[in-house]
Amino acid sequence: AQSVTQLGSHVSVSEGALVLLRCNYSSSVPPYLFWYVQYPNQGLQLLLKYTSAATLVKGINGFEAEFKKSETSFHLTKPSAHMSDAAEYFCAVSEGQAGTALIFGKGTTLSVSS
Amino acid sequence: NAGVTQTPKFRILKIGQSMTLQCTQDMNHNYMYWYRQDPGMGLKLIYYSVGAGITDKGEVPNGYNVSRSTTEDFPLRLELAAPSQTSVYFCASKGEINYGYTFGSGTRLTVV
Repeated sequence: AQSVTQLGSHVSVSEGALVLLRCNYSSSVPPYLFWYVQYPNQGLQLLLKYTSAATLVKGINGFEAEFKKSETSFHLTKPSAHMSDAAEYFCAVSEGQAGTALIFGKGTTLSVSS
Repeated sequence: NAGVTQTPKFRILKIGQSMTLQCTQDMNHNYMYWYRQDPGMGLKLIYYSVGAGITDKGEVPNGYNVSRSTTEDFPLRLELAAPSQTSVYFCASKGEINYGYTFGSGTRLTVV
């Protein structure tokens, strides 16, 4: 069965610092991996997705993630945090087959201080 | 395109009442999903559908029912509302070819 573990329910950084949000997955087949962002009282917005092409995936708002099969990881990074990045971030996995539902991690809340 | 539309956006129910959360998509997607989101728990799959007339249980189906009579609509029914069903509910859909999941804006439900 698939699963996702997000290490750290809360991450705090200073504005301009590196953002690193960790995600490890478990899947019996090659996974498709996603990062979503949720701003307060809003829906989910797709940041980026890995679908078996390039292992380094670039997304919106300067975020990127690297798929590392040997480490079963898909960590999200951004070189320089901005106040507007404060939100909750979710990592999700699917088996890649048509129709397979997304399985979500519990989320990581990112706080950015000035 | 409207994408995935959920109604209502907010609702307060009394214990034991019933209601239907509506979800409609206009992208001709075969696959549709219902999730609930609780603080610190991420999103959990309630039910899903792979096409009109076909539905199946997800991780947390108890207390809910669904139907899929058309490709566009995937309503979620709560028959006897309980406080444990207080949550934010998201509907999503996905097409065949690409791996993009489209989410609705959510329904915030409070059961008192």
